Amino acid sequence: DTGVSQDPRHKITKRGQNVTFRCDPISEHNRLYWYRQTLGQGPEFLTYFQNEAQLEKSRLLSDRFSAERPKGSFSTLEIQRTEQGDSAMYLCASSPRGSSYNEQFFGPGTRLTVL
Amino acid sequence: AQSVTQLGSHVSVSEGALVLLRCNYSSSVPPYLFWYVQYPNQGLQLLLKYTSAATLVKGINGFEAEFKKSETSFHLTKPSAHMSDAAEYFCAVSDRADSSYKLIFGSGTRLLVRP
Repeated sequence: DTGVSQDPRHKITKRGQNVTFRCDPISEHNRLYWYRQTLGQGPEFLTYFQNEAQLEKSRLLSDRFSAERPKGSFSTLEIQRTEQGDSAMYLCASSPRGSSYNEQFFGPGTRLTVL
Repeated sequence: AQSVTQLGSHVSVSEGALVLLRCNYSSSVPPYLFWYVQYPNQGLQLLLKYTSAATLVKGINGFEAEFKKSETSFHLTKPSAHMSDAAEYFCAVSDRADSSYKLIFGSGTRLLVRP
């Protein structure tokens, strides 16, 4: 049984470029969450999916950000026209169906550095 | 809105000493409560959670936490610190009335263990 995986683990980009991150949740987990963690802070909620439906987006998710989960399995998070303020760790988590919705399993994260 | 306060951004203890990391939440209705640990450049690992059963919750690696409704607290303790406990610890809450079950994190406490 593999855990949540994220790719890439590190990404360095120049301001103005587009980047895309991928998250593969634990198999059969139907909920998938994205969080952002800046240096010295706790993670902050960005958005979540139940199966392929995106059910909530945080006000932190500006129109430069878009997330998809096309087949209810893996998810992608794209940032267009990156800014230096986007530098952060992007964490993905998944949770299974049923009463354990309140337990989320986290991936290792993708660290983004915008130069 | 829910909020989480972790007192002390850094806590330093000697190996073998008691570990106490403090967490207070803001809501009048007790939320789901969690403690996560994060090692450098890694994702978050769940230590323990409180959902509505026993107020004293035992977790992995010898950690436990006690839910105190009157104090709106969920402090994390370990009787004897080990060098391997050095990491960042995050307290998180999830609103029972929020069907997203998204997590709201505190700002974290970095635990340093002195030999």
